[in-house]
Amino acid sequence: DVKVTQSSRYLVKRTGEKVFLECVQDMDHENMFWYRQDPGLGLRLIYFSYDVKMKEKGDIPEGYSVSREKKERFSLILESASTNQTSMYLCASIPQSGQGTQYFGPGTRLLVL
Amino acid sequence: AQTVTQSQPEMSVQEAETVTLSCTYDTSENNYYLFWYKQPPSRQMILVIRQEAYKQQNATENRFSVNFQKAAKSFSLKISDSQLGDTAMYFCAFMRGVGGGSEKLVFGKGTKLTVNP
Repeated sequence: DVKVTQSSRYLVKRTGEKVFLECVQDMDHENMFWYRQDPGLGLRLIYFSYDVKMKEKGDIPEGYSVSREKKERFSLILESASTNQTSMYLCASIPQSGQGTQYFGPGTRLLVL
Repeated sequence: AQTVTQSQPEMSVQEAETVTLSCTYDTSENNYYLFWYKQPPSRQMILVIRQEAYKQQNATENRFSVNFQKAAKSFSLKISDSQLGDTAMYFCAFMRGVGGGSEKLVFGKGTKLTVNP
C-alpha cells in the first residue's frame, strides 16, 4: 500500500513564525502536491513538484514556498505565518503514469495565533 | 480553466437507503478523468471511484456507482445500501488527461454526507 505521511497532525504557531510542514511518501512517486482545505472552499492547490528540485505554482502560492531535495520528501514552508493561513494542509503524491489517482496524507491542521 | 461544481453542501440519508450526490464540471477538453474522493471525519482522503471520459460505461465499485453524462458534463455518485461508515465529505474532482501524473486535480467544494441510523 502506498503510504503518505505528514510530520504533524496538529500544529499551533504564532504570527510571524517560520513554519515547516513535511510530507514523505514511500512509493517512489515522481509527483507531489500540497493542498489547502478550507470549509466551503474545497481543496486548493498551493504548489506541486514533478521531480527533485522542480516545483510549479498552483492556484494559491502567495505566502508559501516549497522544497524538494529528495524524491520522497516535499516540504511546504510558510515564511512568515499569518492568521489567514490557519487551515488544513494536505499532501498528495502520484506516479508519473498514475492517471490521476492521487494518494493523500492524513493532513496537518495548522492554527496560527 | 476547468471548474467543478457540487451544488449540495450537505445531505443526509437513512442507513440502508440510496443517495445520489451531484457534480457538474466545465471543460473544453475531450480527454480527461473524473473522480470521487471520500474524506471521513478522521481526515484521510481516499479515492472512491474514477471514470475515464473516453469510456461510455459508467464505473462501479461495489455499492458506489456513477452516472456519467459527458454531453451534459455531469458526474453524479450513487451510494446504495448506505452504511454508517459512509458518513464523510465527498469531493468530486477533474483532471485533464494529457500530462500524466503531473496534471493537477481540480476539486469541487464538497458535499457533507451524514448517514443516520
